[in-house]
Amino acid sequence: QSALTQPASVSGSPGQSITISCTGTSSDVGRYNYVSWYQQHPGKAPKLMIYEVSKRPSGVSSRFSGSKSGNTASLTISGLQAEDEADYYCSSYTSRTTLVFGGGTKLTVL
Amino acid sequence: EVQLLESGGGLVQPGGSLRLSCAASGFTFSSYAMSWVRQAPGKGLEWVSVISGSGGSTHYADSVKGRFNISRDNSTNTLYLQMHGLRAEDTAVYYCAKDGQRYIPTSVDYWGQGTLVTVSS
Repeated sequence: QSALTQPASVSGSPGQSITISCTGTSSDVGRYNYVSWYQQHPGKAPKLMIYEVSKRPSGVSSRFSGSKSGNTASLTISGLQAEDEADYYCSSYTSRTTLVFGGGTKLTVL
Repeated sequence: EVQLLESGGGLVQPGGSLRLSCAASGFTFSSYAMSWVRQAPGKGLEWVSVISGSGGSTHYADSVKGRFNISRDNSTNTLYLQMHGLRAEDTAVYYCAKDGQRYIPTSVDYWGQGTLVTVSS
């Protein structure tokens, strides 16, 4: 059950767009459309931002969008804002009926 | 409003046991799979276990298989995690997590605030 691969850190200036990648295998990301993205601020519980690759829960800004190609999923945040600075995690359902998370990406808003 | 309230965390010696509880409210508890997800200090999220809405199906991460047992009581809307043979590497904040589906762990749409488990002598 290896973790999904995410970049350790990304950064961007306010107003810019950034993309975080999440690479898995043909047994998880590549096989199922059950990829999710979570935002976690320090000391807080994670918050669901994207589910089923590209769907946004009610209340989540349209600046957050998700996509997938092959074994790699991506989260794009457009119009970066200071409050977007946080850790971001992806997850995927797997063929072993488990859930696997990515290692996390720290987003810094410059 | 969905609420998940964990309890039962604390300090335990290596090899010891602990039972975590999660009181759920604000949704039809039996209609959704529930998971436990943990986060070691300064580390990322690690999925631990899932139980289906009826309680009839359970799955575990390899790291806890054979030591942890997940269960639920749909009459009291409570989720449990019984942990045995605890190791230092089990030290983490344990989150109670509601899934968006009934049978399999696809996506956590609600999280509790977490309870800290510390395994140390």
